[in-house]
Amino acid sequence: KQEVTQIPAALSVPEGENLVLNCSFTDSAIYNLQWFRQDPGKGLTSLLLIQSSQREQTSGRLNASLDKSSGRSTLYIAASQPGDSATYLCAACTSITQGGSEKLVFGKGTKLTVNP
Amino acid sequence: DAGITQSPRHKVTETGTPVTLRCHQTENHRYMYWYRQDPGHGLRLIHYSYGVKDTDKGEVSDGYSVSRSKTEDFLLTLESATSSQTSVYFCAIRGRREENYGYTFGSGTRLTVV
Repeated sequence: KQEVTQIPAALSVPEGENLVLNCSFTDSAIYNLQWFRQDPGKGLTSLLLIQSSQREQTSGRLNASLDKSSGRSTLYIAASQPGDSATYLCAACTSITQGGSEKLVFGKGTKLTVNP
Repeated sequence: DAGITQSPRHKVTETGTPVTLRCHQTENHRYMYWYRQDPGHGLRLIHYSYGVKDTDKGEVSDGYSVSRSKTEDFLLTLESATSSQTSVYFCAIRGRREENYGYTFGSGTRLTVV
């Protein structure tokens, strides 16, 4: 059974700092890994998706890496801003059945606060 | 964003009453999902669908049923609502190959069972 863990559960940093959010998963047989952002009381916004054959993806100040063999992914945020404050969720796309259906298995998230 | 609409956005209902939540998509995606999000548990899969009339259970399916009579609509029914079903419910679609099979989520339905 796939389990996804995110560390730390909460993180508070001053504005401008570079930071790393960690995600680990127990089953390396994933199709892809997706990072989401969730603001309080809102839905999930997709940030980056890394396919199982890729090592990293970049979008603006965000960079996500994937190491399937060790069951780890990291989300790097450069030059953090107060507007980055949110909960960041990591989700591994994994097989439900041998018939090919898939699902996302989520970590519980890292709540990030960037202080001005 | 993949044209996903959830309704209602908020609902308060009484214990023991049936409740139906609706997820509507406009882009003909095959796979649709219902998740619930609770503090301390994160997001957990309730049911999913891999086509019209093709549905299956997720990890927390007890007390829930689903139906998909059209590609665009995926309905989640709480047969007899209980306080433990107070939660935020999210619908999701799985994108196509050209979208790297990424998932997109609706805005959620906040359900309170009193």
